[in-house]
Amino acid sequence: QVQLQESGPGLVKPSETLSLTCTASGVLISNYYWSWIRQPPGKGLEWIGYIYYSGNTNYNPSLKSRVTISVDTSKNQVSLKLNSVTAADTAVYYCAREYSGFHFDYWGQGTLVTVSS
Amino acid sequence: DIVMTQSPDSLAVSLGERATINCKSSQSLLYSSNHKSYLAWYQQKPGQPPKLLIYWASTRESGVPDRFSGSGSGTDFTLTISSLQAEDVAVYYCQQYYTTPRTFGQGTTVEI
Repeated sequence: QVQLQESGPGLVKPSETLSLTCTASGVLISNYYWSWIRQPPGKGLEWIGYIYYSGNTNYNPSLKSRVTISVDTSKNQVSLKLNSVTAADTAVYYCAREYSGFHFDYWGQGTLVTVSS
Repeated sequence: DIVMTQSPDSLAVSLGERATINCKSSQSLLYSSNHKSYLAWYQQKPGQPPKLLIYWASTRESGVPDRFSGSGSGTDFTLTISSLQAEDVAVYYCQQYYTTPRTFGQGTTVEI
């Protein structure tokens, strides 16, 4: 079955770069859109951006200047980089498959990233 | 950005009773060429990722119990749980995929 697993440091210092990887199993990265979505503790969901397997990206304008999403089809992975982080970036970060560029049908379990010195 | 507004923010429903959650978008989510509304509903339980329930406003995802149904078109949508079960306690979100940035409602907490 399809499984998505986010991984990366759980603690990042302010002004540094948050880096996460989403590894897919049971499905090939190819031919799909892959999104990153985050959820601050106790709050709602915020879409960060997506990447198509070909490398085409689309970012939330609110984060666009700080975000890079990339794909490595050889490793079946999607990556997220968010630079110049602050405490406001503390959240659970999810990767999700955006089915044909529409709804999110598969989600990872999420990983909590805390921004603190 | 398309703003998604859910109502109510929370509701308490007795077991076996109906729960109704509303979602309103700041612009139409109806794509004229295919007559589909680009709206999904998700359920999120504590400590878990969101789970897709409904897409295209009214299509139930495979494996989702038929007590969950979605309706509406354009800018006004509803998620109905026809007979609330204990396992339905969760936060429910609507989400538009008509355009980017993708946006979610603020969530509705359903309690017993």
